[in-house]
Amino acid sequence: GAGVSQSPSNKVTEKGKDVELRCDPISGHTALYWYRQRLGQGLEFLIYFQGNSAPDKSGLPSDRFSAERTGESVSTLTIQRTQQEDSAVYLCASSLDSITGGYTFGSGTRLTVV
Amino acid sequence: KQEVTQIPAALSVPEGENLVLNCSFTDSAIYNLQWFRQDPGKGLTSLLLIQSSQREQTSGRLNASLDKSSGRSTLYIAASQPGDSATYLCAVNSGGYQKVTFGIGTKLQVIP
Repeated sequence: GAGVSQSPSNKVTEKGKDVELRCDPISGHTALYWYRQRLGQGLEFLIYFQGNSAPDKSGLPSDRFSAERTGESVSTLTIQRTQQEDSAVYLCASSLDSITGGYTFGSGTRLTVV
Repeated sequence: KQEVTQIPAALSVPEGENLVLNCSFTDSAIYNLQWFRQDPGKGLTSLLLIQSSQREQTSGRLNASLDKSSGRSTLYIAASQPGDSATYLCAVNSGGYQKVTFGIGTKLQVIP
């Protein structure tokens, strides 16, 4: 597609429920990233996918967080048993490569856990 | 560890004024630097990407410069407009995704 697409744009969920966030990167972008941004704070790296290589999950804050990506296509970020501290904007970005390519971000998913 | 600082944290200017936003970084060994704008509750929109071999990039009323030796980049906005009101972030790539560091941003308000 022309840009990075994220869905849903907004999600309100009850504490303890599972949520799934979706990211559709730019076609041809082999690198895909998930970031979290809490209100008034900077971007927090969560996970990185590069082609068919094993993802770097070092930024995931707990085992309630997981992410998948099939090849160079859509990625999903799943948060199980959501907690109030999970409330944030979840941003997805893609790039041609992780060294020289600039990032293109999606519009984000605003998650509110009540 | 790369550290990125953006000063000021907030800036308010009257419409039509030219302004400069600053981004400082501690490690000059970078691959590129990217400027973004972020509207409230939204994602980041890329404005300009400067590779380490470049000194500046221009797009419309925006001009970004890069001085690696001094660890500085500036974003110049000419003839500011109310629609420019947003938070501006810089991101420094020091060698791949694990070494991309984002600043906290400068919140710009352009007053009509």
